[in-house]
Amino acid sequence: SQQGEEDPQALSIQEGENATMNCSYKTSINNLQWYRQNSGRGLVHLILIRSNEREKHSGRLRVTLDTSKKSSSLLITASRAADTASYFCATLNSGYSTLTFGKGTMLLVSP
Amino acid sequence: NAGVMQNPRHLVRRRGQEARLRCSPMKGHSHVYWYRQLPEEGLKFMVYLQKENIIDESGMPKERFSAEFPKEGPSILRIQQVVRGDSAAYFCASSPPGRPQNTEAFFGQGTRLTVV
Repeated sequence: SQQGEEDPQALSIQEGENATMNCSYKTSINNLQWYRQNSGRGLVHLILIRSNEREKHSGRLRVTLDTSKKSSSLLITASRAADTASYFCATLNSGYSTLTFGKGTMLLVSP
Repeated sequence: NAGVMQNPRHLVRRRGQEARLRCSPMKGHSHVYWYRQLPEEGLKFMVYLQKENIIDESGMPKERFSAEFPKEGPSILRIQQVVRGDSAAYFCASSPPGRPQNTEAFFGQGTRLTVV
């Protein structure tokens, strides 16, 4: 079954607004990671949060993890047009060494 | 320190030909992962290798696909007798020695394979 399902599938906002994307997963994890992918490009690692952590910040990014609900959220504050991209969450499941990706959220930030 | 290098960036093959995709991990990295991304989809794990060893190939199709990571040189993903359904973006990632639980993976720009 698909691990790391992002919600919403697509999000359209104006510059300066905040963008929140959610990710749900099904099994026990070691860590959860968020990646960004610009159209036709590779993936850029944004942030890693371990299973024993609840919140992490990096610049305008804030990630939360709720292992009891098996969910994570990525918040981008004061969005910019350059934030337009697809965002993927990926889980490193317990007992495994490889990442399982969701289908991603397409974020469009309009000037 | 160059990132993960994949080549070629774009590859066109006719049905029945072979496709060879190359991945040079970041300097000092000993773990290599291959993923496939279909249009409008997330990445699907294919194979995880360390130098001269396949650690996990549970995501690799049983036929026509093979991967290696030799002692010297890049990792190679090889697809024999390609079919239209193999058209996708293939991404390689690498991570440093150590437990994968504690390290992040760095991705290359991908190889976009088109089978005509």
